Amino acid sequence: SQKIEQNSEALNIQEGKTATLTCNYTNYSPAYLQWYRQDPGRGPVFLLLIRENEKEKRKERLKVTFDTTLKQSLFHITASQPADSATYLCALVRDNDMRFGAGTRLTVKP
Amino acid sequence: DAGVIQSPRHEVTEMGQEVTLRCKPISGHDYLFWYRQTMMRGLELLIYFNNNVPIDDSGMPEDRFSAKMPNASFSTLKIQPSEPRDSAVYFCASSFLRVGSGANVLTFGAGSRLTVL
Repeated sequence: SQKIEQNSEALNIQEGKTATLTCNYTNYSPAYLQWYRQDPGRGPVFLLLIRENEKEKRKERLKVTFDTTLKQSLFHITASQPADSATYLCALVRDNDMRFGAGTRLTVKP
Repeated sequence: DAGVIQSPRHEVTEMGQEVTLRCKPISGHDYLFWYRQTMMRGLELLIYFNNNVPIDDSGMPEDRFSAKMPNASFSTLKIQPSEPRDSAVYFCASSFLRVGSGANVLTFGAGSRLTVL
């Protein structure tokens, strides 16, 4: 069966450091992968999208990589800030089938 | 645009009662998705519509769940009868297929938190 795993339920880092979140998957061949941010009591908000033929995508302090051989995506937040504290979800998409990982709760400490 | 609007935000009901959750998607979006989120199972896709037509309802847990989209600006998710294990946050999301990208990017509502006692 298809499985999506995001590294650890929680990640704590110091302000200014780079946060790296991992999304691994099995038994699935996504056409593209998306990352969302979810704050408590709110719905997920789209951040970035990367296609299967792309290796890397950047947006301001965010960087996403996608390795279809390793079946893994890495999500980086550079120069992290306390305001980056949230849960981050990866979503694998093929056609209109979109499956989410359980999320990683990131806490950036001042 | 006000975004995706869901109601009610919170619902507490007793087992056996009917629950109806409502969603107004973003105008112009032709896809609508219903998700359920729990601590144990994360975000699960229940059903999605394209141009008001249900496309995939394989995620609907059982016959107690039903969803409708009578027009482009309104959808409902109904649970009848409700059970305690249905307690979760239910999200509605809408999107449009971006031309040339083949990518659906979802805009989520704030969710409806359902508690079944």
